[in-house]
Amino acid sequence: EDQVTQSPEALRLQEGESSSLNCSYTVSGLRGLFWYRQDPGKGPEFLFTLYSAGEEKEKERLKATLTKKESFLHITAPKPEDSATYLCAVQGGGGSYIPTFGRGTSLIVHP
Amino acid sequence: GAVVSQHPSRVICKSGTSVKIECRSLDFQATTMFWYRQFPKQSLMLMATSNEGSKATYEQGVEKDKFLINHASLTLSTLTVASAHPEDSSFYICSAGKQVRAEAFFGQGTRLTVV
Repeated sequence: EDQVTQSPEALRLQEGESSSLNCSYTVSGLRGLFWYRQDPGKGPEFLFTLYSAGEEKEKERLKATLTKKESFLHITAPKPEDSATYLCAVQGGGGSYIPTFGRGTSLIVHP
Repeated sequence: GAVVSQHPSRVICKSGTSVKIECRSLDFQATTMFWYRQFPKQSLMLMATSNEGSKATYEQGVEKDKFLINHASLTLSTLTVASAHPEDSSFYICSAGKQVRAEAFFGQGTRLTVV
């Protein structure tokens, strides 16, 4: 059974204070690892897909990296508008194509 | 990316009535769509997988007769909450992907309140 664990559960940062969110996973044959951002009362917004260890992707202040056991979402010099819940999901290489989601990290960036 | 539209965004209904939620993929065809339920400050709980032209596959513990899913076309799936009760109040979200083994894109979500 695929499993995803995200840490920390909640994170408070000051504006400009860089940090990283962690997504640890166990999966039989990773097909893809996905990062989403979710604002309160809205559906998740797709950010990145990572396919293999060593891969990195960037978008503005966000950079996602992937190893064989975990993924990090690095936030550089965050702004208050980066405040949201960040979700990680994996899609395994088994017969099921249903993604498994973590519980998310709630990020609050104070001005 | 891709656009998935969900409607309505909010609905308030009386106990015992039925509510239909629509999920449309606007710029791609989706053979498969997923329906989730999300409780406050919790992650997504998969309810069912909706397959175009066939019956939905429900997760364990999800009542098929209460949460009716129809995937009539490659761009539209509907979730009907039958005879809704206050305990059905929740945030419902759909998702769809361009390919089965690829990232999924989410609708805006529907906040259902049953009074």
